[in-house]
Amino acid sequence: DVKVTQSSRYLVKRTGEKVFLECVQDMDHENMFWYRQDPGLGLRLIYFSYDVKMKEKGDIPEGYSVSREKKERFSLILESASTNQTSMYLCASSFRTGVDGYTFGSGTRLTVV
Amino acid sequence: GENVEQHPSTLSVQEGDSAVIKCTYSDSASNYFPWYKQELGKRPQLIIDIRSNVGEKKDQRIAVTLNKTAKHFSLHITETQPEDSAVYFCAATLPGYSSASKIIFGSGTRLSIRP
Repeated sequence: DVKVTQSSRYLVKRTGEKVFLECVQDMDHENMFWYRQDPGLGLRLIYFSYDVKMKEKGDIPEGYSVSREKKERFSLILESASTNQTSMYLCASSFRTGVDGYTFGSGTRLTVV
Repeated sequence: GENVEQHPSTLSVQEGDSAVIKCTYSDSASNYFPWYKQELGKRPQLIIDIRSNVGEKKDQRIAVTLNKTAKHFSLHITETQPEDSAVYFCAATLPGYSSASKIIFGSGTRLSIRP
């Protein structure tokens, strides 16, 4: 069974802090994704990566950056956290998205105070 | 870019009745349409998907239909049960770079099953 593991279930950070959200998958998937989930807005794509050291902007990349130094790990970085980044963050991975869809992690609920 | 619209945002049906959730997409190049179910406090999970070369697909009590001409696709749940209560997301895949495709999600439908 594919596992996508997000390092923290809940995080509380202060405005202006640099925040790292970690995601690890154990099935050698090529593609990894970061979404944020907000009520009424569904799942919005922040960044995705289709290979090590490769990254592509999604629909809402502002205020975020990512790192993929190893195939299994995809990190989301909030350079200077703001209250409007309070949200549920979901990581996902896929082998070939157009074939087999995503496997999601359990999510990290981030609160910025 | 691709845009996916989903209706209704909330849906309440009597246990045993059918539920239908509808989505439209904007980019005719989209070729893969998955549906995800998210129970309260849990991660979204893929429940069924359909590809652009197929018009309908069924898996027990759930079915999806796709109308490529109209750019519509729908989820049908028959004989609904309490465990069907969840938020359902439709999605469309826009072909991307290399072997990647990014999935664009609808805004979700909160389905409640009344006993």
